[in-house]
Amino acid sequence: DTAVSQTPKYLVTQMGNDKSIKCEQNLGHDTMYWYKQDSKKFLKIMFSYNNKELIINETVPNRFSPKSPDKAHLNLHINSLELGDSAVYFCASSQPMTSGYQETQYFGPGTRLLVL
Amino acid sequence: QKEVEQNSGPLSVPEGAIASLNCTYSDRGSQSFFWYRQYSGKSPELIMSIYSNGDKEDGRFTAQLNKASQYVSLLIRDSQPSDSATYLCAAQVEYGNKLVFGAGTILRVKS
Repeated sequence: DTAVSQTPKYLVTQMGNDKSIKCEQNLGHDTMYWYKQDSKKFLKIMFSYNNKELIINETVPNRFSPKSPDKAHLNLHINSLELGDSAVYFCASSQPMTSGYQETQYFGPGTRLLVL
Repeated sequence: QKEVEQNSGPLSVPEGAIASLNCTYSDRGSQSFFWYRQYSGKSPELIMSIYSNGDKEDGRFTAQLNKASQYVSLLIRDSQPSDSATYLCAAQVEYGNKLVFGAGTILRVKS
């Protein structure tokens, strides 16, 4: 019973290619996120969707485009991959904030992207 | 820029000892705080959440929050080698459904 799942787990590709990462959650949460964790293990938010609506869009290159077909799915498409895109990308989900308090975020297993 | 600061470590403690992990945050309006554990090559998993000043205990883990000092800590009692991991502190940014993570503290428990 995987709560937050991502595909693929590993992605090795050449510079300039376009790739997609898929995320699905079966927790019934309304909010989903994409995070990037670099080689120094720093975890940084990229995007957040609440019930298919984009609510957080950090300073991320336009080459990254999230898409949420429904509230259980959040995909990440990356155009023209660069060496610096190599990282682990985590999907997460949570219920929306209640009374100003952030709900716990649950993370997927991660997608390890290596750009050669 | 909202920040969460942690000592990167590594923090080494002998088996059975208390491990103390600390975190400070810059956004005075933050109300929600989380400790995640991340094993090498794995995803972050929630250890504790804390929302009110004071202590919150769950088994061997105690989270402590002091909003006046903008300080969060995690105590691990009776540390086990299986506790060896990176511990990530996260704080909610005042406005928005967003967490800011610290860089993590590496904990090593020696048997």
